[in-house]
Amino acid sequence: KQEVTQIPAALSVPEGENLVLNCSFTDSAIYNLQWFRQDPGKGLTSLLLIQSSQREQTSGRLNASLDKSSGRSTLYIAASQPGDSATYLCAVQGDSGGYQKVTFGTGTKLQVIP
Amino acid sequence: DTGVSQNPRHKITKRGQNVTFRCDPISEHNRLYWYRQTLGQGPEFLTYFQNEAQLEKSRLLSDRFSAERPKGSFSTLEIQRTEQGDSAMYLCASSLDGVGTQYFGPGTRLTVL
Repeated sequence: KQEVTQIPAALSVPEGENLVLNCSFTDSAIYNLQWFRQDPGKGLTSLLLIQSSQREQTSGRLNASLDKSSGRSTLYIAASQPGDSATYLCAVQGDSGGYQKVTFGTGTKLQVIP
Repeated sequence: DTGVSQNPRHKITKRGQNVTFRCDPISEHNRLYWYRQTLGQGPEFLTYFQNEAQLEKSRLLSDRFSAERPKGSFSTLEIQRTEQGDSAMYLCASSLDGVGTQYFGPGTRLTVL
């Protein structure tokens, strides 16, 4: 059974700092890994999708890496802004008896202080 | 295209009542997923459809839960005889294919009194 862990559970940083969020998963047989952000009481917004054959993806100030063999991914946020405050979730999609099941972590709640 | 939509956004019901939620995915997306999310947790997979076929159901989906996607477009999730433990945010997502980016709707927040 796939388990996804995110550390830390919460993080508070001053505006302008660079930061790294971590995600680890127990089963390396995955199709892809996706990072989302979720604002309070809202749905999820997709940030980056990394296919299993890729090592990283970049979008603006965000960079996500994937090390499938060690079961780890990181999301790097450069020059953080108050608008980045949200919960960040990673999700892995893997083979579950022939079906592409998606398993989420519990998230990292980020607060960027002006 | 305006993305994935869900209705209603909020639903308050009394224990024992039946409720139905609707999800309209992004047009041309073949895959449609349902998740449940409780406070402080990540979304938990419930079920998914490939076009109109329901391909997998989680153990979380008890006999009181049923989902349909009759024409391969919108989907409904029905909960019969609701219980207080059913209170959660119910999220719908769609993707173009099986391993593509999932796009989420805003969710339906269910409160069972």
